[in-house]
Amino acid sequence: GDSVTQMEGPVTLSEEAFLTINCTYTATGYPSLFWYVQYPGEGLQLLLKATKADDKGSNKGFEATYRKETTSFHLEKGSVQVSDSAVYFCALSGFSSGDKLTFGTGTRLAVRP
Amino acid sequence: DTGVSQDPRHKITKRGQNVTFRCDPISEHNRLYWYRQTLGQGPEFLTYFQNEAQLEKSRLLSDRFSAERPKGSFSTLEIQRTEQGDSAMYLCASSRDSSNYGYTFGSGTRLTVV
Repeated sequence: GDSVTQMEGPVTLSEEAFLTINCTYTATGYPSLFWYVQYPGEGLQLLLKATKADDKGSNKGFEATYRKETTSFHLEKGSVQVSDSAVYFCALSGFSSGDKLTFGTGTRLAVRP
Repeated sequence: DTGVSQDPRHKITKRGQNVTFRCDPISEHNRLYWYRQTLGQGPEFLTYFQNEAQLEKSRLLSDRFSAERPKGSFSTLEIQRTEQGDSAMYLCASSRDSSNYGYTFGSGTRLTVV
């Protein structure tokens, strides 16, 4: 079945540092890929998505590129802020998963002032 | 667009009691999903509806769990004879047509079984 693997956290960075959170996936066919963010005490919010190979999703300074050859969808941001501290989830929706999202385990990001 | 609403936000119950959660999706969304999230894990799919039809249920959804969406609008998730292992965050989400567009999640109901 479909699966998503994320780098384990926590990831601790200083403000203005460069962020990468790795995500790789296993799926049949051509899944759609997502990054969700969960701030403390809140539900998940869609951060960005990409629906086909080589697409780049971007939002709020975050970017991720759908790489079919490496089955990856790594999240990047050039300069993190304290307000980016949250848990980030990579997810996919694919042919074999029907119409549901399969999530990774999440990566906690803590940004120090 | 008031977002996806879930009620209650928190529920503490004694083992063996029944609990019911409610989800109000975004009004124009015809798909509604229930997920469960335990500490340190990603959300796990439980079930989803298109309008009032329940189209898929996970194996995680034991016979103690039942979900309804009687008029294709709000949904309820009931857990009978709760167990300590049911303690989790229960998340509801809705979408327009397909998960390919991404869901809108509610803030969740945190269940603690004591």
